[in-house]
Amino acid sequence: DIVMTQSPDSLAVSLGERATINCKSSQSVLYSSNNKNCLAWYQQKPGQPPKLLIYWASTRESGVPDRFSGSGSGTDFTLTISSLQAEDVAVYYCQQCYSTPLTFGGGTKVEIK
Amino acid sequence: QVQLQESGPGLVKPSETLSLTCTVSGDSISSHYWSWIRQPPGKGLEWIGYIYYSGNTNYNPSLKSRVTISVDASKNQFSLKLSSVTAADTAMYYCARDGRYCSGGICSRAFDIWGQGTMVTVSS
Repeated sequence: DIVMTQSPDSLAVSLGERATINCKSSQSVLYSSNNKNCLAWYQQKPGQPPKLLIYWASTRESGVPDRFSGSGSGTDFTLTISSLQAEDVAVYYCQQCYSTPLTFGGGTKVEIK
Repeated sequence: QVQLQESGPGLVKPSETLSLTCTVSGDSISSHYWSWIRQPPGKGLEWIGYIYYSGNTNYNPSLKSRVTISVDASKNQFSLKLSSVTAADTAMYYCARDGRYCSGGICSRAFDIWGQGTMVTVSS
């Protein structure tokens, strides 16, 4: 199984400031055939199901604000919220889709400082 | 718009079989892969398995011996059965659609549509 490790477990950021979440996979999730990383990011607010933010490591899902961006390749990935808004308070998960079983990171809780 | 709705008992006794159904509206079940994902209270997400309308399935090896996912295309539904449950199976169970974001002939398994989830408690 590919193990996904997120850091930090939680972070507190001031409104308008940048939030950065890291995700590391135990093996590469890069497809050589299309040069794309099979890595997705989700946002989960209390009492709600996860919401897809990013797929292919850096492609924003339709309707997702452009303050959310994904980067990285191979085994190291980052989700950046460029200017934190109050509605961004949530737990964020990464997920690898390179191989089954599909696996998620443990989550990073983002709060307002 | 596309909606997924989980249904089934909220309480299951230990050693019995958990059975849930996901009803898909606004989309044909033949157009995507469909997954079950669970989340124990206060914990992270665990993928259980997926199914295609043809019946092709793929299960998480950690649960494979106890899991069956099936599809009823005529009802636009797919179902989950998890046998021999224990307290460790207590969780919110979500059904989700594989968004089929494809590039160069490869499709990512990212979940673009989720049901609201149904809480299942295993207790006598």
